Parts: sequence; C-alpha cells; structure tokens
Amino acid sequence: GAVVSQHPSWVICKSGTSVKIECRSLDFQATTMFWYRQFPKQSLMLMATSNEGSKATYEQGVEKDKFLINHASLTLSTLTVTSAHPEDSSFYICSARHSGRIRTDTQYFGPGTRLTVL
Amino acid sequence: KNQVEQSPQSLIILEGKNCTLQCNYTVSPFSNLRWYKQDTGRGPVSLTIMTFSENTKSNGRYTATLDADTKQSSLHITASQLSDSASYICVVSVGGGGNKLTFGTGTQLKVEL
Repeated sequence: GAVVSQHPSWVICKSGTSVKIECRSLDFQATTMFWYRQFPKQSLMLMATSNEGSKATYEQGVEKDKFLINHASLTLSTLTVTSAHPEDSSFYICSARHSGRIRTDTQYFGPGTRLTVL
Repeated sequence: KNQVEQSPQSLIILEGKNCTLQCNYTVSPFSNLRWYKQDTGRGPVSLTIMTFSENTKSNGRYTATLDADTKQSSLHITASQLSDSASYICVVSVGGGGNKLTFGTGTQLKVEL
C-alpha cells in the first residue's frame, strides 16, 4: 500500500512553454503533498507544501507565479512550470503525507518526473 | 541551522560484502529519522524509520541504528547485492508539527562483481 504515482515520468519541452506534472496518491488520502526538485548528485530540495483545498506554501526563493501548485482533491496535486527555461530542467519529485499516519509524519515519494527544457 | 551530514560521499564494495553508512544530524527538535534508497532516476523508497526511543530497526538485509544522544545514525547493509547500488539518503524529520524533512546529501553506493 501507500503508492504515489507521477505523470509524466519524463517530458521534453521548448523554452517558454508550460508543463504540468501530476502527483497522485493511489491507495490513500493525502491532505498534504510536497513538491521537491533534485539536481544531479544533489539532495532533494523542498519547493512547496501543498494542502488540499488551500493555497500552497512556498519555500524561500521559489517563485509561486512560476511554479503553480493545485491540490484540488485528497489524491491529486499538480505542479505547473510556467514559461519554462533551460535552468528549470531538473528532476521533480512529489511526496504525499498519509492522512491516517500523521503521528509518524510518513511521506511517500513518487517516482519523479524528469523535465528537460530545450 | 538544521543539517544532516552523511559519510562517505561514495563507496564501492564487492558483491557479498557488508558496509556501513553514517549519518550525523543537528536537527532540533527531533521527530524521527529515516533511511531511504534512491535508484538513479527514481524517487526515494523508505527503508527504515526510527523515533527517539528506538535505537535499532531492521528491514531484511538493512539494519539502521540511532544514537539520539550523539545524534548519529548508521545504516548497515549485509551481504550486498548488485541491486543495492543506489544513493542512500538519511532524512531527519523536524518535530513540533512542522512536518519538515531535512535531507542528507546521500551516500552513493556501487556494488561490483
């Protein structure tokens, strides 16, 4: 149990276009989801915390108008990279916090989405 | 500042050998510590989770230890296999309801024949 999926697994786009990445908790509800970015040989960096039905909380230095987050249901959060540029190329990983396991603050990670902006 | 440091940065071992990865943290307040395995191009997969009161946790060939006094943890891999080649990440959860995770930079393990 506790499976998180991401779609697409990889995407290549032209500079200036927008890309949407979906994160789904398949067999549990997640009131909170997290979006991370990981550059090669570096650790995961938290970009934002997404709460179902409310606005996302962005980490310092992350542009909220560039990285649009929507968490419309208990099983789906989306990250839209608007007007993508080559420097946005990265590995984007989401995680979902199991609503029923708040005590241990268990987050389950998705498989990641590789974004390449040409 | 909350930090998690891991050592070594990278490690190469022969198949069948054991190895131990280290993690030191300065996170406060401490909630729990997890070890994750991340294959290249994939998301992290949880191996173990330990709270303040736990000092050891096993998951198959993986055994994690925690010394909350010295703020150190280790991950011991027994009888390594080629499929163990991956990045192993130590992650400490900040307490106080903040739900923030502090990630180590990982140890890149390569198991060779």
